[in-house]
Amino acid sequence: NAGVTQTPKFQVLKTGQSMTLQCAQDMNHNSMYWYRQDPGMGLRLIYYSASEGTTDKGEVPNGYNVSRLNKREFSLRLESAAPSQTSVYFCASSERLQTYGYTFGSGTRLTVV
Amino acid sequence: KNEVEQSPQNLTAQEGEFITINCSYSVGISALHWLQQHPGGGIVSLFMLSSGKKKHGRLIATINIQEKHSSLHITASHPRDSAVYICAVRSKGAQKLVFGQGTRLTINP
Repeated sequence: NAGVTQTPKFQVLKTGQSMTLQCAQDMNHNSMYWYRQDPGMGLRLIYYSASEGTTDKGEVPNGYNVSRLNKREFSLRLESAAPSQTSVYFCASSERLQTYGYTFGSGTRLTVV
Repeated sequence: KNEVEQSPQNLTAQEGEFITINCSYSVGISALHWLQQHPGGGIVSLFMLSSGKKKHGRLIATINIQEKHSSLHITASHPRDSAVYICAVRSKGAQKLVFGQGTRLTINP
């Protein structure tokens, strides 16, 4: 089925460990996004990529890096995980920047202990 | 004050009731989105509005640009409508969406 695939679905890290969250979409969308969702708060944009070859900071970029590997793939890296990064992470894509037709991945639940 | 405020935060109703979820925002916008997040966590786009009203099945979304307000209505509600409904706006000239905190809807049989 066409959509956005995120891996892993669950992850537990120790403080200071690093990891990369993977995201791939097969809808030929130009724009991709990484959000985090925390209890009592709305989705917050971490980074986005308007098109292949470009990335930009969102609302809460500190502690994260991203790579738009190609048109399909957009990865999010935590270089040195902190407990404050415990959250649910969602990848999303859209045909163009912020247009209708957002498709979200199923999320990654990350716990940093 | 958040740029996007939703009300109520939680709503419980009986099957068949007419549901209204409200979204108010404080900035000029180019578009407003309604999203649905299922209990399992998946998020689905429902509507994008810049004016007027849109309908899809039992869901109706309206927006009043002058009053900076949007509503999502569900007619003949069903337990499968139980989810978190999220409002998000894109400010004019901005590159990102700003999300409300969501409204948790529970429909009891």
